[in-house]
Amino acid sequence: ETGVTQTPRHLVMGMTNKKSLKCEQHLGHNAMYWYKQSAKKPLELMFVYNFKEQTENNSVPSRFSPECPNSSHLFLHLHTLQPEDSALYLCASSQDQHLGGYTFGSGTRLTVV
Amino acid sequence: KNEVEQSPQNLTAQEGEFITINCSYSVGISALHWLQQHPGGGIVSLFMLSSGKKKHGRLIATINIQEKHSSLHITASHPRDSAVYICAVTGNQFYFGTGTSLTVIP
Repeated sequence: ETGVTQTPRHLVMGMTNKKSLKCEQHLGHNAMYWYKQSAKKPLELMFVYNFKEQTENNSVPSRFSPECPNSSHLFLHLHTLQPEDSALYLCASSQDQHLGGYTFGSGTRLTVV
Repeated sequence: KNEVEQSPQNLTAQEGEFITINCSYSVGISALHWLQQHPGGGIVSLFMLSSGKKKHGRLIATINIQEKHSSLHITASHPRDSAVYICAVTGNQFYFGTGTSLTVIP
């Protein structure tokens, strides 16, 4: 375990389903991140929260909705996804958005059917 | 064209060999990161560097800011080093390379 815990590890959902991915860290970090990793593509940064405020949204479709209720928890709410959204979704945290030193979770493998 | 280019894309080595993975970038950066991703997806942050050289065990990372180039070296490679190594840079945005898939054969 890295200190960043993601659940579930695997998720299969239909295109009409609503599901949520959860990320939790108790490292005392103030920045949390969602990344998407599709096959054969670079990691893509989706969202950044720094001190619970969203500081970056990399033109992510609205069918992905992040939520950061506190510095330790980050959610990614999913609805009406497409098969091309199937990917590994990684959460990471760092002390501060601008200080680096990232700790990554193990990821959620999402399959949209 | 990707802002971060890594080479090689795939690398197979015999156990004990010295390995070098290269990363070139085209944007202004505040830091460069080397990440290791094992099968199954988990990512470990190996190094963050903005100048010079860092060493951790058998791993060495160097960066040349003027040439916009970084290298990750693995000495005395071992099968457990088999993973995907990803170069990432942070500046105004995060940019990631596509990764180098390393297989070390016993």
